[in-house]
Amino acid sequence: DTGVSQDPRHKITKRGQNVTFRCDPISEHNRLYWYRQTLGQGPEFLTYFQNEAQLEKSRLLSDRFSAERPKGSFSTLEIQRTEQGDSAMYLCASSLLDGRESYEQYFGPGTRLTVT
Amino acid sequence: AQTVTQSQPEMSVQEAETVTLSCTYDTSESDYYLFWYKQPPSRQMILVIRQEAYKQQNATENRFSVNFQKAAKSFSLKISDSQLGDAAMYFCAYKVLGADGLTFGKGTHLIIQP
Repeated sequence: DTGVSQDPRHKITKRGQNVTFRCDPISEHNRLYWYRQTLGQGPEFLTYFQNEAQLEKSRLLSDRFSAERPKGSFSTLEIQRTEQGDSAMYLCASSLLDGRESYEQYFGPGTRLTVT
Repeated sequence: AQTVTQSQPEMSVQEAETVTLSCTYDTSESDYYLFWYKQPPSRQMILVIRQEAYKQQNATENRFSVNFQKAAKSFSLKISDSQLGDAAMYFCAYKVLGADGLTFGKGTHLIIQP
């Protein structure tokens, strides 16, 4: 397994357009996370899935953001009507739930979004 | 709300020397985990070391060790025998037992001087 992959790596879009990012987790991992990282900051948690169920959403995830994980495999994060403030690196991570706890989150390379 | 504070935006160390990165956190929880992640330039974030709050013994991974002071809510990372490949952003992170979103600090940029 080659780890968590994300596509595209870079996306430039005009304000008001919709964008969609994809994340492929490590194959046996049942938990998948999305984070947003702006310049000079640490990643901020957005949402996570256990299999296909979205279990938690941060207040940062406005109505313009939607995430899915059909069939509990890859995930997509869509941003509608993009704004310049959406410009950031969007990171995906996955982990394996072991009993009650999941420990290490493995991160992907991220998708860098620039909204012009 | 939990917060993680890294007070050193940038640190510089000579190759082969030892450096300590600071992290403090604020929480009312008693069961949690603390992590140090490394993010090299243009590369993905990787876990360096993990500490369970219920463990008194400080975690160690080869040249990396932590000083966990639960009462002081402090979690510093010590890197011994610094190598050029250690140059990266280092993020301290926190997770409550049973929850899954990580809370990160703003990071410390570590520079290794050859």
